[in-house]
Amino acid sequence: DIQMTQSPSSLSASVGDRVTITCQASQDISNYLNWYQQKSGKAPKLLIHDASNLETGVPSRFSGSGSGTDFTFTISNLQPEDFATYYCQQYDNFPFTFGPGTKVDVK
Amino acid sequence: EVQVIESGGGLVKPGGSLRLSCAASGFIFSDYRMNWVRQAPGKGLEWVSFISSSGIYISYADSVKGRFTISRDNAKNSLYLQMNSLRAEDTAVYYCVTGAGATRDWGQGTLVTVSS
Repeated sequence: DIQMTQSPSSLSASVGDRVTITCQASQDISNYLNWYQQKSGKAPKLLIHDASNLETGVPSRFSGSGSGTDFTFTISNLQPEDFATYYCQQYDNFPFTFGPGTKVDVK
Repeated sequence: EVQVIESGGGLVKPGGSLRLSCAASGFIFSDYRMNWVRQAPGKGLEWVSFISSSGIYISYADSVKGRFTISRDNAKNSLYLQMNSLRAEDTAVYYCVTGAGATRDWGQGTLVTVSS
């Protein structure tokens, strides 16, 4: 199985900050990577697919990059509604494993 | 509008069984691959199972293989998850999710609690 790691596991930030989360796969997954946002008590929301493709309607302050085993997710200008937990997920091979998540909270 | 609505969750004793359903609307269900993903209380996301649009290709997480069975009825626009030999560690919110790859449509989930 492909293992996904994320760092950091949590971070504290302020509105307007630039936030960066990294995700690493245990083997090459090309660009078969999603990024999700999940708020408390809600279903996850897909933000980015294929490592860097922004979902329709998702603000451009969100971005993703990377391929192979190393990926980065960035929020360029953190907004109040962005405080949430973020997950990466690979879909190169079954099982479609998720990273453990990164919680972004208020500094 | 794409909608997937899960049902069938509840409280069940260890060793028991439960069948989850997912009713789909707003899209051509028979064209879509589907998944079940779960989330234990206070924990992260865990992919559980996948089924191809025709139902021919199926995959499971190791943690549920041999105990859970995914199926679909394209005529009824419905996805199912038959869960047998349930364990305490299967306690989670179970989500029905469209697609493979860009899995963009999620239901609100149904809670399964396995406890004596």
